[in-house]
Amino acid sequence: ETGVTQTPRHLVMGMTNKKSLKCEQHLGHNAMYWYKQSAKKPLELMFVYSLEERVENNSVPSRFSPECPNSSHLFLHLHTLQPEDSALYLCASSQDPTGSGELFFGEGSRLTVL
Amino acid sequence: AQKITQTQPGMFVQEKEAVTLDCTYDTSDQSYGLFWYKQPSSGEMIFLIYQGSYDEQNATEGRYSLNFQKARKSANLVISASQLGDSAMYFCAMREGQWLTGGGNKLTFGTGTQLKVEL
Repeated sequence: ETGVTQTPRHLVMGMTNKKSLKCEQHLGHNAMYWYKQSAKKPLELMFVYSLEERVENNSVPSRFSPECPNSSHLFLHLHTLQPEDSALYLCASSQDPTGSGELFFGEGSRLTVL
Repeated sequence: AQKITQTQPGMFVQEKEAVTLDCTYDTSDQSYGLFWYKQPSSGEMIFLIYQGSYDEQNATEGRYSLNFQKARKSANLVISASQLGDSAMYFCAMREGQWLTGGGNKLTFGTGTQLKVEL
């Protein structure tokens, strides 16, 4: 496995379900991110972990709960979501701070909330 | 005000032609970084090119170049010799302020430009 992998790629859930999105990076990076991408809106930064500490929570509702057990793994726990939470959730990693520090993204998890 | 503005929701270009995708930004910081990403239909965001605010030369990476005009706060992406595989969404993004250890590289993105390359 190389790069950043996200599972599942597609997820359909009801408003009362609990599910989790998983992200794993194989790049040896020390920072990981969750972004939300909704149609016709800019990518929204949700959470940032650097050196396994959460350094950013961008006013995200508590129904989204991140977890970073180590520098290679990042989870997004979902519960009692709303239909407007349907979006593409992108995970990324970077080496903090090195060079330009570009983010390496996964292919995303497409979430549909019914 | 938006931090990153991409005014072209869609662009068409003929194969082998050059195309410029516009990006303007808004920041009061002296130190910042500008990025361009490509997002094909698969969903993955692919890093293309980076320009630091103190870099005097325009960045280039293969067929990609960044036309950085600091006074105008613009960072346009130029793709030379377009190929069919260049058809995708293109996003401009910015990191504001100094990048400190442990702070993460927090990027703000624009709304993107959908580029279609035609035969």
